[in-house]
Amino acid sequence: RKEVEQDPGPFNVPEGATVAFNCTYSNSASQSFFWYRQDCRKEPKLLMSVYSSGNEDGRFTAQLNRASQYISLLIRDSKLSDSATYLCVVSNGSYKLIFGSGTRLLVRP
Amino acid sequence: NAGVTQTPKFQVLKTGQSMTLQCAQDMNHNSMYWYRQDPGMGLRLIYYSASEGTTDKGEVPNGYNVSRLNKREFSLRLESAAPSQTSVYFCASSEGLDSSSGNTIYFGEGSWLTVV
Repeated sequence: RKEVEQDPGPFNVPEGATVAFNCTYSNSASQSFFWYRQDCRKEPKLLMSVYSSGNEDGRFTAQLNRASQYISLLIRDSKLSDSATYLCVVSNGSYKLIFGSGTRLLVRP
Repeated sequence: NAGVTQTPKFQVLKTGQSMTLQCAQDMNHNSMYWYRQDPGMGLRLIYYSASEGTTDKGEVPNGYNVSRLNKREFSLRLESAAPSQTSVYFCASSEGLDSSSGNTIYFGEGSWLTVV
């Protein structure tokens, strides 16, 4: 079993739709959680950290469920520019980041 | 803003050839990393350097060597390239190693390496 698992997608949604991705992790000792965004043939960039209480950044909302060991990312009012691969990243607090293989999102006009 | 710069961007090697990927950061970060990314898999850590003068193995170090030349530069060397090393390589840097303290990792644009 992979340490971090994501549905690879693609999720194909129209502009303006709400879309949600989940990510499950296997290490219950994990402390830090992140969502990264990676555009095609580009480097990953931090989208947002995920806090225990959940957090929101504009149209993006991240949630953490420690009991079930998953994190989620909700994107509201999808834009064409949101088309990318979203990487779930988990860490035990040290340098060691465990990356999921990513969920691909396609937003169509 | 340069951030993390890595070269070359594309390279084709023959099996058994050697090459070095260069990486430099201008953010005065202490920690630097080399990852590889393969289709259907998450990024995997090859080597990292917590600070100038130190290097340590990551998850997949076999077949690679690194040098932390100074605080800015961290190079990755393939001594005898193999087809299994065909991948996209990302250099990255962060203020420190502790991911729980808001130490964001910044990535370079990637190096596409093909070994034939």
